[in-house]
Amino acid sequence: EDKVVQSPLSLVVHEGDTVTLNCSYEVTNFRSLLWYKQEKKAPTFLFMLTSSGIEKKSGRLSSILDKKELFSILNITATQTGDSAVYLCAVGDGSGNTGKLIFGQGTTLQVKP
Amino acid sequence: DAGVIQSPRHEVTEMGQEVTLRCKPISGHDYLFWYRQTMMRGLELLIYFNNNVPIDDSGMPEDRFSAKMPNASFSTLKIQPSEPRDSAVYFCASSLRSGNEQFFGPGTRLTVL
Repeated sequence: EDKVVQSPLSLVVHEGDTVTLNCSYEVTNFRSLLWYKQEKKAPTFLFMLTSSGIEKKSGRLSSILDKKELFSILNITATQTGDSAVYLCAVGDGSGNTGKLIFGQGTTLQVKP
Repeated sequence: DAGVIQSPRHEVTEMGQEVTLRCKPISGHDYLFWYRQTMMRGLELLIYFNNNVPIDDSGMPEDRFSAKMPNASFSTLKIQPSEPRDSAVYFCASSLRSGNEQFFGPGTRLTVL
């Protein structure tokens, strides 16, 4: 069965710290890996990765994919209280023409002032 | 673009009543997804459509749940009869093509008493 596992499940840090969130996957037909941020509302898209070793960056957030070891990391540097959220990792199923995403259980990040 | 639109935003109903949730995807998107999110089970895919055709409904919990997409700009998720265990946030999402990022609507928070 296809699955996506995130770790840690929750994390508490102080402003200014750097955090690394992990996502490992076992998916029969891999198409892409996506990261979402969910505050008290709908998930919002952060990154999509399809190739190994190419870092994607947006401000203080960056992410990289390792398709050999089947994992991705999301780094947040100089964390701020506004980074507090649930971070979701999802893998795009490449079977046929499916548009399906398989989500992990999420990492809850709390950034304290 | 208005993004994915869902209605109602909140729904409180009594056990046994019929509930209908509505979704308008982003114009031009070929895929539409219905998810359910709870604290216990996280984000679960219920059903998704490609070009208005249901592709995978294996996530629909039971026969009480049904979904339709009569045209490219409208979909409904119906629960009949509703039960307290159906209480959750229901998200609709759409994407332009297979494997691409999905854009989520604001969700409908359903409470069944």
